[in-house]
Amino acid sequence: QSVLSQPPSASGTPGQRVTISCSGSSSNIGSHYVYWYQQLPGTAPTLLIYKNNQRPSGVPDRFSGSKSGTSASLAISGLRSEDEADYYCAAWDDSQYWVFGGGTQLTVL
Amino acid sequence: QVQLQQWGAGLLKPSETLSLTCAVYGGSLSGYYWSWVRQPPGKGLEWIGEINDSGSTNYNPSLKSRVTISVDTSKSQFSLKLSSVTAADTAAYYCARLDPATGINFDYWGQGILVTVSS
Repeated sequence: QSVLSQPPSASGTPGQRVTISCSGSSSNIGSHYVYWYQQLPGTAPTLLIYKNNQRPSGVPDRFSGSKSGTSASLAISGLRSEDEADYYCAAWDDSQYWVFGGGTQLTVL
Repeated sequence: QVQLQQWGAGLLKPSETLSLTCAVYGGSLSGYYWSWVRQPPGKGLEWIGEINDSGSTNYNPSLKSRVTISVDTSKSQFSLKLSSVTAADTAAYYCARLDPATGINFDYWGQGILVTVSS
């Protein structure tokens, strides 16, 4: 059971906008930055969003992050087939450890 | 370009100690935290712990009693030891970098090693 809660699956058609939610508590998301990672099958995760809504260089602006209270969201606009992957949220917890969401498998229909 | 390369035994018997090492190329250990994350087959990510170049560590409370993370700055490497493994420890293990100065965390990852625990 993961500390951060994500829907296990999400889907959309090419060109559509999809959002993935991440719910936590006051000790993690409510107090600290949220991070998002993309994991393609058989590969290591890659950083998608850091400090709630910042994109590393090279990440398309189709990806955006937001945070409100103890929840966060990842939005993907202009959905493409190559976006089909697993997505994970993460945050530092006041108990001095990193917590991850259980992951959301995104399917592009 | 920073690269993390990891190695270690991929098959263990129950009660043995898992031992993995991650080498950092193209960058310094100094100023960063270096972390281990694992992923059981078909499941999500679980943070194991982290260390900085001074040897300061943080561990996941659920694994703390069995985990030791160490650093060798002379070799630009850090290592993970997990004792008394069981089948539940079967997972892909990744090393990763955290940058406390910029808050850009888990920006570089190792290639991952699948560790299987089986009698």
